[in-house]
Amino acid sequence: VQLPQSPSYLAASPGESVSISCKASKSISNHLAWYQEKPGKTNKLLIHSGSTLQSGTPSRFSGSGSGTDFTLTIRSLESEDFAVYYCQQYNEYPLTFGSGTKLEIK
Amino acid sequence: EVQLVESGGGLVQPGRSMKLSCAASGFTFNNYDMAWVCQAPKKGLEWVATISYDGSRTYYRDSVKGRFTISRDNAKSTLYLQMDSLRSEDTATYYCARQGVGFAYWGQGTLVTVSS
Repeated sequence: VQLPQSPSYLAASPGESVSISCKASKSISNHLAWYQEKPGKTNKLLIHSGSTLQSGTPSRFSGSGSGTDFTLTIRSLESEDFAVYYCQQYNEYPLTFGSGTKLEIK
Repeated sequence: EVQLVESGGGLVQPGRSMKLSCAASGFTFNNYDMAWVCQAPKKGLEWVATISYDGSRTYYRDSVKGRFTISRDNAKSTLYLQMDSLRSEDTATYYCARQGVGFAYWGQGTLVTVSS
């Protein structure tokens, strides 16, 4: 399953809201997860099952979608949110990741 | 607290072998499928292999089939990745991860550099 992710780069200011898209090449039901990658920290699972927040994920993060189209939205960006984000499907093997979105401070 | 600590990375020549280990703690290891995920320098994440909780099933990405072997020792709470016939394109940081609905826990990774 291919997982084109867009945009690959995003610049925003604290307080703004942003959305990241992940489109699967075939239906994956809701078997999609979102991760945050930050230097010096282990990768963090933010959302699984398309829209279920992992324990500890702030409520300003939300996920939506099923089938082929998925979106990660971050409302009211905080400084700690500037990172790289990946989607990943676990509907079938081989498991695949999106290409990543780098979110930087404008 | 869940901890996953990888070891065994380093510099290796093309065609040689290397074995990675991942020591798990803070959870009941034999209840979970485990995986290796890699990240080439300045690139994105790529799933490498998965092993079921009891070791009975394994899955691999095509590029490593026949060269890499994932295994586990539930008595030692340790995950392994035996990498044979290494290629320059295998150069990456290798992470072990606990697999469920997504990868809920990750290690810090161990860097494998394949170069002569």
